[in-house]
Amino acid sequence: KNQVEQSPQSLIILEGKNCTLQCNYTVSPFSNLRWYKQDTGRGPVSLTIMTFSENTKSNGRYTATLDADTKQSSLHITASQLSDSASYICVVSAGGSTLGRLYFGRGTQLTVWP
Amino acid sequence: EPEVTQTPSHQVTQMGQEVILRCVPISNHLYFYWYRQILGQKVEFLVSFYNNEISEKSEIFDDQFSVERPDGSNFTLKIRSTKLEDSAMYFCASSPTLTGKKYLYSNQPQHFGDGTRLSIL
Repeated sequence: KNQVEQSPQSLIILEGKNCTLQCNYTVSPFSNLRWYKQDTGRGPVSLTIMTFSENTKSNGRYTATLDADTKQSSLHITASQLSDSASYICVVSAGGSTLGRLYFGRGTQLTVWP
Repeated sequence: EPEVTQTPSHQVTQMGQEVILRCVPISNHLYFYWYRQILGQKVEFLVSFYNNEISEKSEIFDDQFSVERPDGSNFTLKIRSTKLEDSAMYFCASSPTLTGKKYLYSNQPQHFGDGTRLSIL
């Protein structure tokens, strides 16, 4: 069964600190892995997309890693800001004949305190 | 930056009534999607649409659901006879056009709207 699992479920950190969010998946065939940020009441916004051959990708203070062998990914946020408070969702796209069907994790709710 | 827009932002409907959710994808995108998110749960894929036909649909997308691109700009999701369990946030998304092999399309970013909150009474 195609699944995406994330940990932790929620995380509280102080402004300026770093954090790492984890994602494990069983989606097959694998096409790519995405990290999205979802603010409360808004749609998800893409942070990174990584294909099978990519191990790491950065977008500003966000750095995602992918280990396709162990089917794990992480999202590292450096020097956190109050505006980073949001849900971070790991999303895996299935390959094959599907037109970009996405499988979503439940997300990690990040709260950044001043 | 171009955005996907969805209307209305909140729709309240009596159970059994028909509802149409509307989306305006980014203008040069040709791949469209609907997702839903029940309160407190993960986002779930409903349907993908390309070249005026459904490309793929999930088990959730039964005969009560239909999608349409009635003109060059709108993309709609219709629920024929709503049930209480249809209450959710519905997200529309679109992807850019890409020439070349079809499998590359799945690597394109999907741009999401801010959703329509559907409440069934």
